[in-house]
Amino acid sequence: SQQGEEDPQALSIQEGENATMNCSYKTSINNLQWYRQNSGRGLVHLILIRSNEREKHSGRLRVTLDTSKKSSSLLITASRAADTASYFCATPNQAGTALIFGKGTTLSVSS
Amino acid sequence: ETGVTQSPTHLIKTRGQQVTLRCSSQSGHNTVSWYQQALGQGPQFIFQYYREEENGRGNFPPRFSGLQFPNYSSELNVNALELDDSALYLCASSLQKGSTDTQYFGPGTRLTVL
Repeated sequence: SQQGEEDPQALSIQEGENATMNCSYKTSINNLQWYRQNSGRGLVHLILIRSNEREKHSGRLRVTLDTSKKSSSLLITASRAADTASYFCATPNQAGTALIFGKGTTLSVSS
Repeated sequence: ETGVTQSPTHLIKTRGQQVTLRCSSQSGHNTVSWYQQALGQGPQFIFQYYREEENGRGNFPPRFSGLQFPNYSSELNVNALELDDSALYLCASSLQKGSTDTQYFGPGTRLTVL
């Protein structure tokens, strides 16, 4: 069953603009991860945020986690054409043995 | 680059055949997970191996099986291929078993079943 769901499904912006993607999940988690995938290739890990953290930064990326609302957001600031990709949030399954991925947000950044 | 490699890159098979996909983990990682990603979907968990033993399995039939070797490389075997098995197959290695650690993905194997 789907645990995390990203919103929006697709996002188109201009270079230099900020991009915000949201993720909602259903059950309690101990961590939430964001990954990027370029054009049907392997996934690249972006950020892991633990349930006792509210915000985390990595370069131009900012991730927030609100466990009371069971939601997370990924903000990419000053986007570039190279940020064009699909972005997935992933949360642990109930057994804690695997990650459950949403369907992703497809981000297009045009120059 | 994550250091996780997969082979082959692409594969075409016909319905009913069997296929073996291979994955070499990042150095020092003793856990490998396999995922299936259909077009336009997120990856779906198939199973995870930790130190050569299965450590969890997703909602996939028994014709999906796996192995992990002493050097922590891994294989995914699929028997009696069906058209719906066409997908990108991803392996990911990690330092710890379970879902609390960063997963390092390989580039994937694109399987087409005709």
